[in-house]
Amino acid sequence: NAGVTQTPKFQVLKTGQSMTLQCAQDMNHEYMSWYRQDPGMGLRLIHYSVGAGITDQGEVPNGYNVSRSTTEDFPLRLLSAAPSQTSVYFCASSYRGAEAFFGQGTRLTVV
Amino acid sequence: DAKTTQPNSMESNEEEPVHLPCNHSTISGTDYIHWYRQLPSQGPEYVIHGLTSNVNNRMASLAIAEDRKSSTLILHRATLRDAAVYYCILSTSGTYKYIFGTGTRLKVLA
Repeated sequence: NAGVTQTPKFQVLKTGQSMTLQCAQDMNHEYMSWYRQDPGMGLRLIHYSVGAGITDQGEVPNGYNVSRSTTEDFPLRLLSAAPSQTSVYFCASSYRGAEAFFGQGTRLTVV
Repeated sequence: DAKTTQPNSMESNEEEPVHLPCNHSTISGTDYIHWYRQLPSQGPEYVIHGLTSNVNNRMASLAIAEDRKSSTLILHRATLRDAAVYYCILSTSGTYKYIFGTGTRLKVLA
């Protein structure tokens, strides 16, 4: 039981490049979400999903896309990276609002 | 989404109890109160959650005011490993959305 696994752990992108941050969970959780955390700040919700095929926007969705084709995976796509997207990204999963499990994060730098 | 208000920072001596307050005056009847903590360079970690009644687990206790407009996370004996940022979060039943605030940075003094 690995919990929530995020890949990669670190990434440097050039402005305008696209990439996908991967998130996988093996706990059969319905609910998955993506957050970003800027230095000295709390986490901000980007997108979330309440089940396969269902996604919705959070607080800061612009510049990001998500899809949920399986229960296990919830990738986050950056369409055209900008320096303002430099942040640490966390993925989380939970079962019906109970304890949420967070991944270890992906540290993204856009230059 | 209902918001929470927490002090920016608190200090505690090791081995002493810590009471971390949270105000959530706009809480609705179906909002759960969650507490998470984040150690340096790690993802948030679940601590405890509740709806109306006080809750206890192996990590902490959650005391919820009768009107539910505030709550207190109680660490019974602080250790150096409890030094972290503690977040008080409300989530509406059925949405499972967490809106984080800036949290309380707890410093534990040896």
